[in-house]
Amino acid sequence: AQSVTQLGSHVSVSEGALVLLRCNYSSSVPPYLFWYVQYPNQGLQLLLKYTSAATLVKGINGFEAEFKKSETSFHLTKPSAHMSDAAEYFCAVRGNTGKLIFGQGTTLQVKP
Amino acid sequence: GAVVSQHPSWVICKSGTSVKIECRSLDFQATTMFWYRQFPKQSLMLMATSNEGSKATYEQGVEKDKFLINHASLTLSTLTVTSAHPEDSSFYICSASVLDPGVETQYFGPGTRLLVL
Repeated sequence: AQSVTQLGSHVSVSEGALVLLRCNYSSSVPPYLFWYVQYPNQGLQLLLKYTSAATLVKGINGFEAEFKKSETSFHLTKPSAHMSDAAEYFCAVRGNTGKLIFGQGTTLQVKP
Repeated sequence: GAVVSQHPSWVICKSGTSVKIECRSLDFQATTMFWYRQFPKQSLMLMATSNEGSKATYEQGVEKDKFLINHASLTLSTLTVTSAHPEDSSFYICSASVLDPGVETQYFGPGTRLLVL
């Protein structure tokens, strides 16, 4: 069975600083992995996804994630945080039945 | 591309009434649609999986008679909360899945906030 663990329910960075949101997965088959962002009172927006085509995946809004099989990780990074990046971020793995299995989410706070 | 809409965006109703929420994929045909519920400060909880022309598959613990799902076409799914009670107040989010490319990818609607008085 697949699962996802997001390390750190709350991450705080200063504007302009590196953003690092951690995600570790468990899967018995090669995984399909996703990062979504949720702004307050809104649905989820797809940031990027890993489909085994490339280990470094670039997404929207300057985010990228690197798939590391040896570490079973898919951490999300952005070189320079903007105030507009403050939101809830969810890592997810696609399960065998097509359902998404979500992590618990990480709240990103960006301080001026 | 890959836009999903939900209507209404918020609704207030009296206890005992029924509420219908629509989910539409605007620029693609969805292979599958999903309905989620989200409580404050929590992750999404999958309620059911819906395929066009088929009965929805409900997750364990979700009352199928309470949460009626109809998937009338490849672009429209509806969730009806029947005889709503205050404990049904929540944020409901739908998603539509499409092969995009290489993997089925879920695109989410903006959500519907339901408040039952």
